[in-house]
Amino acid sequence: EVQLVQSGAEVKKPGESLKISCKGSGYSFTSYWIGWVRQMPGKGLEWMGIIYPGDSDTRYSPSFQGQVTISADKSISTAYLQWSSLKASDTAMYYCARKSHISFWFDPWGQGTLVTVSS
Amino acid sequence: QSALTQPASVSGSPGQSITISCTGTSSDVGGYNYVSWYQQHPGKAPKLMIYDVSNRPSGVSNRFSGSKSGNTASLTISGLQAEDEADYYCSSYTSSSTLEVVFGGGTKLTVL
Repeated sequence: EVQLVQSGAEVKKPGESLKISCKGSGYSFTSYWIGWVRQMPGKGLEWMGIIYPGDSDTRYSPSFQGQVTISADKSISTAYLQWSSLKASDTAMYYCARKSHISFWFDPWGQGTLVTVSS
Repeated sequence: QSALTQPASVSGSPGQSITISCTGTSSDVGGYNYVSWYQQHPGKAPKLMIYDVSNRPSGVSNRFSGSKSGNTASLTISGLQAEDEADYYCSSYTSSSTLEVVFGGGTKLTVL
């Protein structure tokens, strides 16, 4: 079974750093793009960026460029989303999802990681 | 502001059919057959319902169908059931961004 399993919920203070993870299983992790999606409380889905673990080619939405870093460790089939200095406005649910090999749909999705940033 | 435009809400009674629209431009919806639809229940991760405009993944009910005309894609749900109440998001390939994908703003479906 193809699966993406994300790391658990986090509670952080403004200014702290954070790295959350998304571990793939049941398929060749290096052969599929992984995307990250933000969902702020009560709001819609926003594409943040996408990475190809095979060669770490990474693309960001202009809204998130410079705000987060997406990376992957193919040796452990895991993609990451990290912040160097969190803000309260980073409070949101974050999802990872696997992109189709030849098209632009995403399936499966991880279960989500809730990040809460509060002083 | 989302690149793709969806109605904020739609509603229907059990057994009826509803359609959710997703309007873009020739740089995304209108130019390519790469529209997908996702269902999201409260507190749950999104679930792929339709891909490449009109294809259903294995396990998705045939009450869900997708289509496209010009710059507008549509998701139709027939024989509405209470369990269909959820948020629905369209997504499309876009040639306007290096990210290549864009979401709609989402539509809240209420089953009356």
